[in-house]
Amino acid sequence: SQTIHQWPATLVQPVGSPLSLECTVEGTSNPNLYWYRQAAGRGLQLLFYSVGIGQISSEVPQNLSASRPQDRQFILSSKKLLLSDSGFYLCAWGGNREQQFFGPGTRLTVL
Amino acid sequence: GEDVEQSLFLSVREGDSSVINCTYTDSSSTYLYWYKQEPGAGLQLLTYIFSNMDMKQDQRLTVLLNKKDKHLSLRIADTQTGDSAIYFCAAPGAGSYQLTFGKGTKLSVIP
Repeated sequence: SQTIHQWPATLVQPVGSPLSLECTVEGTSNPNLYWYRQAAGRGLQLLFYSVGIGQISSEVPQNLSASRPQDRQFILSSKKLLLSDSGFYLCAWGGNREQQFFGPGTRLTVL
Repeated sequence: GEDVEQSLFLSVREGDSSVINCTYTDSSSTYLYWYKQEPGAGLQLLTYIFSNMDMKQDQRLTVLLNKKDKHLSLRIADTQTGDSAIYFCAAPGAGSYQLTFGKGTKLSVIP
């Protein structure tokens, strides 16, 4: 069966520091991969998605970047964090049709 | 692009039925999805319905689809305290293999 992992689970970082969040998927090959941010208002904002290694699509201009160095690995990064980057970051992988399966999330607090 | 709307809050008594409503705009949506998010966790795919169906039942969950009015509902029978969570409706988004999520309905179950 397929599983999706995210780490770390919780992160507190100062403004201006770098960021690296990692997501890995097991039990499937060549999945579509997604990064979402969920702010306090609860809505999900799609940040990036990837249909293959090295292929990244950005949905909104922002202080973040994404990379997919391996088939089942998706990384979210920032060179310098802003206060507004705080939130709950969710990684998901895409199965058949459009359905998506989510990881447990990373709670990021920027101080 | 697709727009998905949900009411933000619903409060029910334990043992009663809960009905969570959702409207969407894109009539070409093929599958429509319901996700559940418990506090501090990722989203869990609860159920989905194909657009050529009117109803789908899965144990305590019933999904109703009115394609003419672009209205989707999730009924939870015999609601339990463990059903307290945020429920997201999702429809295929603008791009391939993308989903557009509603803002989520927070279901509170009163013992």
